[in-house]
Amino acid sequence: GQNIDQPTEMTATEGAIVQINCTYQTSGFNGLFWYQQHAGEAPTFLSYNVLDGLEEKGRFSSFLSRSKGYSYLLLKELQMKDSASYLCAVMDSNYQLIWGAGTKLIIKP
Amino acid sequence: IAGITQAPTSQILAAGRRMTLRCTQDMRHNAMYWYRQDLGLGLRLIHYSNTAGTTGKGEVPDGYSVSRANTDDFPLTLASAVPSQTSVYFCASSEKAGVGDTQYFGPGTRLTVL
Repeated sequence: GQNIDQPTEMTATEGAIVQINCTYQTSGFNGLFWYQQHAGEAPTFLSYNVLDGLEEKGRFSSFLSRSKGYSYLLLKELQMKDSASYLCAVMDSNYQLIWGAGTKLIIKP
Repeated sequence: IAGITQAPTSQILAAGRRMTLRCTQDMRHNAMYWYRQDLGLGLRLIHYSNTAGTTGKGEVPDGYSVSRANTDDFPLTLASAVPSQTSVYFCASSEKAGVGDTQYFGPGTRLTVL
């Protein structure tokens, strides 16, 4: 079966760094996406990884290891506005996205 | 402003009633998708369309139907609503259905079936 696992909830402090992990088992792999979703809003695209390694985009970085079926999203210099859910999704062999349940990130001052 | 619109924003519906959720995009994207999002679960694909005139079933298609008469519109119909269809529904689109193609989401429709 297909499975995407990520922690349900994490708490971090404003100004700190947090790493959100995602592990996956899917039928085929055509890349991994991270989305941000604020409460009551639509998911918005953050990053895409298809090759192993780290992709950096401002305060956000995303890492992929295909051999381990593992990715993480790294958020630096946390701000209160980063309080949101972070969704991990894998594109399978049919080019469909398989979604994790999301990690709710709570930022404390 | 380019993007995806959905209507209605929210709806309360009696069980057994028919309901159509509307989705329109102006980005000339080929592929469109309907998802439902329930607490504690990931987004689940209901139906998709890779190009105008074609549709396909996703993970949870039962009780739902779609059509794709043109590039811009992708309505989702609940023929006879049931309480288990209470959810938040998101429409999304992507340039094509291929490797690395990013999906962009509409604002969602919150549907309650009583």
